[in-house]
Amino acid sequence: EDQVTQSPEALRLQEGESSSLNCSYTVSGLRGLFWYRQDPGKGPEFLFTLYSAGEEKEKERLKATLTKKESFLHITAPKPEDSATYLCAVQERAGGTSYGKLTFGQGTILTVHP
Amino acid sequence: GAVVSQHPSWVICKSGTSVKIECRSLDFQATTMFWYRQFPKQSLMLMATSNEGSKATYEQGVEKDKFLINHASLTLSTLTVTSAHPEDSSFYICSARETMGYNSPLHFGNGTRLTVT
Repeated sequence: EDQVTQSPEALRLQEGESSSLNCSYTVSGLRGLFWYRQDPGKGPEFLFTLYSAGEEKEKERLKATLTKKESFLHITAPKPEDSATYLCAVQERAGGTSYGKLTFGQGTILTVHP
Repeated sequence: GAVVSQHPSWVICKSGTSVKIECRSLDFQATTMFWYRQFPKQSLMLMATSNEGSKATYEQGVEKDKFLINHASLTLSTLTVTSAHPEDSSFYICSARETMGYNSPLHFGNGTRLTVT
């Protein structure tokens, strides 16, 4: 069974204070690892997909990296508007009945203070 | 970009009644949609996979007779919570893929907050 563990559960940063969020995963064969941002009362918003170890993706102040066991979401010089819950999810390279479903971690609640 | 619309955004119902939630893909066709449930401060838990023109596939522990899913067209899936009880109160979110590729990202609706009194 796929397992996804995110740490820390909550992270408080000062504006401009860079940091990283961790996503550790256990899956028999990884098809893809996804990062999402979720604001309170909203559905998740897609950020990145990573497919293989060593891959990196960037978007504004965010950079996602992937190894064979974990992924990191690096936040450089964060701003208060980056405050949200960040979710990672894995998709297993399974058979046809999976229809490509995702297994989510519990998320990291990021708060950036001005 | 791909837009998934969910309606209503919130609903309050009395215990024992049924509630229908709609999920639409606005600018693309989705043969498969996914229904998730999220409790406060918890992650998304997959409830079922909705397939256009066929029966939904439910995850272990999800009652298919309680959570009825209908995927009648390539742009619409509905989730009906039948005989709702307070423990069914939760945040329900649907999602869909813009393309047929299994590793293309899921796009999510904005969720439906269900409160059963």
